[in-house]
Amino acid sequence: QVQLVQSGGEVKKPGASMKVSCKASGYTFTDYNIHWVRQAPGQGLEWMGWFNPDTGVTNCAQNFQGRVTMTRDTTIRTAYMDLRSLRSDDTAVYYCVRWGDAFDFWGQGTFVTVSS
Amino acid sequence: SYVLTQPPSVSVAPGDTATILCGENDLGNRSVHWYQQRPGQAPVLVIYYDTDRPSGIPERFSGSNFGDTATLTISRVEAGDEADYYCQVWDSESDHYVFGPGTKVTVL
Repeated sequence: QVQLVQSGGEVKKPGASMKVSCKASGYTFTDYNIHWVRQAPGQGLEWMGWFNPDTGVTNCAQNFQGRVTMTRDTTIRTAYMDLRSLRSDDTAVYYCVRWGDAFDFWGQGTFVTVSS
Repeated sequence: SYVLTQPPSVSVAPGDTATILCGENDLGNRSVHWYQQRPGQAPVLVIYYDTDRPSGIPERFSGSNFGDTATLTISRVEAGDEADYYCQVWDSESDHYVFGPGTKVTVL
């Protein structure tokens, strides 16, 4: 069965960087784009960007341009999302999501707290 | 950029029908997807391409999309349907993906 397993939660200081991993199984990793979606506490879902694991091409929302990098290691079927220059309002649960028929499979989420 | 609107909340009695709306100009010309998010859990896809239901989603969940409004309908509502529901579209001009603000469904 399709699974996306994410790395564990982190606490970061303002100005630092974070890196979340997303390990895929149960399907051909390079056949589907991986998206990143975040959710601040008590808030709605915010799309961050997508990444093509086959070509390495990415596209991200304007809010994150210049601050986010999406990469992958196809040998271990894992996608990564780096977010730099963290601020307190980056505190959120970060999800990796497969785009198949819509966002059909979600990771369990990674809670990142940004606090001094 | 594309902005979807949803009512903040909907309340429904068990066994009744919940109707959750998602609005934007000319939304009927786009494909709308719906997600259910129970407290503390990751979202789950419940309707894709306006009307299709993934395997494992009860037939009580249905969708439609005409004009400026897409609708998620939950028939014979159960306590377990209490959750936040988000609509979502793809903006082809920017190749960006947009979520609605979400509707909290409360089962009375």
